[in-house]
Amino acid sequence: AQSVAQPEDQVNVAEGNPLTVKCTYSVSGNPYLFWYVQYPNRGLQFLLKYITGDNLVKGSYGFEAEFNKSQTSFHLKKPSALVSDSALYFCAVRPTGRRALTFGSGTRLQVQP
Amino acid sequence: SQTIHQWPATLVQPVGSPLSLECTVEGTSNPNLYWYRQAAGRGLQLLFYSVGIGQISSEVPQNLSASRPQDRQFILSSKKLLLSDSGFYLCAWSLADLTGEAFFGQGTRLTVV
Repeated sequence: AQSVAQPEDQVNVAEGNPLTVKCTYSVSGNPYLFWYVQYPNRGLQFLLKYITGDNLVKGSYGFEAEFNKSQTSFHLKKPSALVSDSALYFCAVRPTGRRALTFGSGTRLQVQP
Repeated sequence: SQTIHQWPATLVQPVGSPLSLECTVEGTSNPNLYWYRQAAGRGLQLLFYSVGIGQISSEVPQNLSASRPQDRQFILSSKKLLLSDSGFYLCAWSLADLTGEAFFGQGTRLTVV
């Protein structure tokens, strides 16, 4: 089955430190990968996507993600975390031949002041 | 610009009552439309998607149904709610282009009592 996995339920980081939220994928063919953020009782907000081209993708709010084909990973990163980055983060993939996105289980990011 | 409206934001319904959640999209034509359910603030489960008026694909057999009476309107329904139908329901849209991201509404918190 084509899917994504987020191995960490929660990531804790101090404000000002770099953050990484991990995602690995399992798809056949070329993957279309996405990151979303969700604040409490709100819908998901799109952060960035990888379709093709440069392995380092830049997105909203200073986030970026690195596509690594050999490790089948698409980790979300930010050089300097903010307390306001605390939220639930989802990695998603559009499986080959399907229109709907398949989401990972989510990682809660907690940034401490 | 495109916007997505989803209502109501919260809903408390008794077991056995009917349900109707509505989602509309503005600023685009012939979008792909989706209903997801999120349980316990975690992973998203795709319920239905639609690629055109009257075209509904069901991902998970359950107590719910969906309809698309107009190009930019997507409705989630139930004839008789169960306790297990409680959750956070999210509507989303995307362009027909398979490289495109999905955009989400603000969600409906449904509590069945």
